[in-house]
Amino acid sequence: NAGVTQTPKFRVLKTGQSMTLLCAQDMNHEYMYWYRQDPGMGLRLIHYSVGEGTTAKGEVPDGYNVSRLKKQNFLLGLESAAPSQTSVYFCASRFKAGQGPYEQYFGPGTRLTVT
Amino acid sequence: AQSVTQLGSHVSVSEGALVLLRCNYSSSVPPYLFWYVQYPNQGLQLLLKYTSAATLVKGINGFEAEFKKSETSFHLTKPSAHMSDAAEYFCAVSDRYSTLTFGKGTMLLVSP
Repeated sequence: NAGVTQTPKFRVLKTGQSMTLLCAQDMNHEYMYWYRQDPGMGLRLIHYSVGEGTTAKGEVPDGYNVSRLKKQNFLLGLESAAPSQTSVYFCASRFKAGQGPYEQYFGPGTRLTVT
Repeated sequence: AQSVTQLGSHVSVSEGALVLLRCNYSSSVPPYLFWYVQYPNQGLQLLLKYTSAATLVKGINGFEAEFKKSETSFHLTKPSAHMSDAAEYFCAVSDRYSTLTFGKGTMLLVSP
């Protein structure tokens, strides 16, 4: 099993450009999450999904959109990138409550720089 | 609302010394608690978890943590530090259905 994979690993954008980050998991997890990690801030939740076709806002959702068209994929979009979105982005997934362990499994991250 | 406080953004120990990383949480419902480790330029890896079974939890690489409800704490310990333990450690809290809330992290530095 590949676990949780993220594409791309690195990206440099100019202010105003758009991009989509792809997260894929092969563990049949129902729940998926997008976080951003900034120095001294820990991980902060951007958006999450509790099933195919559903999404919800996390702690820092502004400037981002998400879609969960297939159970195994969770996409994070930046419509108009800003320097404040320079960060490392992590995707995670876990089983639905009652269906398996409660811990989240993390991808390797995407390092995004917005100039 | 849930929250996590990790005391000390950096902790330095000598190789072979005790490691103690502190975590206090706030939760309105019985919590599930986790410690994750992050090595440079990598994702997060689960060290151990508390999900309302035994209060002393053993994890990978010789780490353990004790859930103390009266103190709302879940401190991480290891009897003898190794150079390979140098990494950033995150404590996190959730309930059964909701999302994880992370602390800001503690960087563990291990000197020879």
